[in-house]
Amino acid sequence: DQQVKQNSPSLSVQEGRISILNCDYTNSMFDYFLWYKKYPAEGPTFLISISSIKDKNEDGRFTVFLNKSAKHLSLHIVPSQPGDSAVYFCAASAGAGGTSYGKLTFGQGTILTVHP
Amino acid sequence: GAGVSQSPSNKVTEKGKDVELRCDPISGHTALYWYRQSLGQGLEFLIYFQGNSAPDKSGLPSDRFSAERTGGSVSTLTIQRTQQEDSAVYLCASSLVGSRTDTQYFGPGTRLTVL
Repeated sequence: DQQVKQNSPSLSVQEGRISILNCDYTNSMFDYFLWYKKYPAEGPTFLISISSIKDKNEDGRFTVFLNKSAKHLSLHIVPSQPGDSAVYFCAASAGAGGTSYGKLTFGQGTILTVHP
Repeated sequence: GAGVSQSPSNKVTEKGKDVELRCDPISGHTALYWYRQSLGQGLEFLIYFQGNSAPDKSGLPSDRFSAERTGGSVSTLTIQRTQQEDSAVYLCASSLVGSRTDTQYFGPGTRLTVL
């Protein structure tokens, strides 16, 4: 079963506007969440993370929001730039009842296209 | 500095043949992970190494899949008697100590096509 879901396969945004990428999860044991960005022919690169003790984490133009009751997280990119065009994956790991190492469960990815 | 490298970048093989995929992690990283991404799917965990030991092999799909790591560095993922469903991009990642909050650095992947 798909424990981490990204229901939007693609998103198209105008340069300078906000990009909002969404992710839902079903496993209530997940307590650490990450976003990765992937360009073609490259491996995913870490973007931002959030622990379940927080509901928001910000790093420059990137903000991740976590809604534990809804089992939902989102990544906001403001302002969006053409260089942000990539595939974005959300990922999660379980703490208690899970592992002490970085065994990640990934969503299917969302292709973001930012138009100039 | 050098990142994670993987070879080959592309591999086309015939059904039933064995293949070996190689991963060179970042120097000094003790943790190494293998994932694979099938078409339209997210990355799927395969195996975790801490040093040369593999405490978690739970993601290996069948006994045709095996992996080893030597010298706390290079890792090889071997798939025996390949099947068409093995076609995927195989990604390797390494991290400094392997904790859950430790950043995983990914290689570019090996695209495996089984005809």
